[in-house]
Amino acid sequence: AQSVTQPDIHITVSEGASLELRCNYSYGATPYLFWYVQSPGQGLQLLLKYFSGDTLVQGIKGFEAEFKRSQSSFNLRKPSVHWSDAAEYFCAVGARRGSGNTGKLIFGQGTTLQVKP
Amino acid sequence: DAGVIQSPRHEVTEMGQEVTLRCKPISGHDYLFWYRQTMMRGLELLIYFNNNVPIDDSGMPEDRFSAKMPNASFSTLKIQPSEPRDSAVYFCASSLGQDYSYEQYFGPGTRLTVT
Repeated sequence: AQSVTQPDIHITVSEGASLELRCNYSYGATPYLFWYVQSPGQGLQLLLKYFSGDTLVQGIKGFEAEFKRSQSSFNLRKPSVHWSDAAEYFCAVGARRGSGNTGKLIFGQGTTLQVKP
Repeated sequence: DAGVIQSPRHEVTEMGQEVTLRCKPISGHDYLFWYRQTMMRGLELLIYFNNNVPIDDSGMPEDRFSAKMPNASFSTLKIQPSEPRDSAVYFCASSLGQDYSYEQYFGPGTRLTVT
């Protein structure tokens, strides 16, 4: 069965520092991978997604993520964090079309990012 | 496009009352999902539809919860009777099955408080 693990429930970084949020997935084949961000009081917004090809994907707001098949990971990174990046971040996995794709995504438990001035 | 629309944005009700949450998906999307988010349990998938047909309702907590999708542009999630433990933020999301990624677009959510 598909599953997603975000090992860090809460992370605090200083403004301007680099950021890496971890995501590990369990799936029998290469899945579709997503990162969503949720600001307080808001719905989830897609940051970036991986389908195939280049394993380093760029997203909105200066975020990027790298797919590492050997480690079953899809970690989110940003070189320099801004105070406005404080939010909750969700990693999600979906099955590829034709591989038992049910159309739904499996979400991790989320990582809350706090940014210190 | 206006995105996924949910109403109401906030709902406060007393225990035992019926609550109805509404969702309008993005036009043309053929998948619709209902999620519940709480501090304790995180983001939970309650039920989802494909072409207005319920596909998986295994996440619906109990018989007090029901969901319908009478047409491609409207869905409801009903709780009857409501209980304080139902207090949460309920999200609706939609996606396009023809888009091979099944990327989901979320609404702003309905914050439900049951007193």
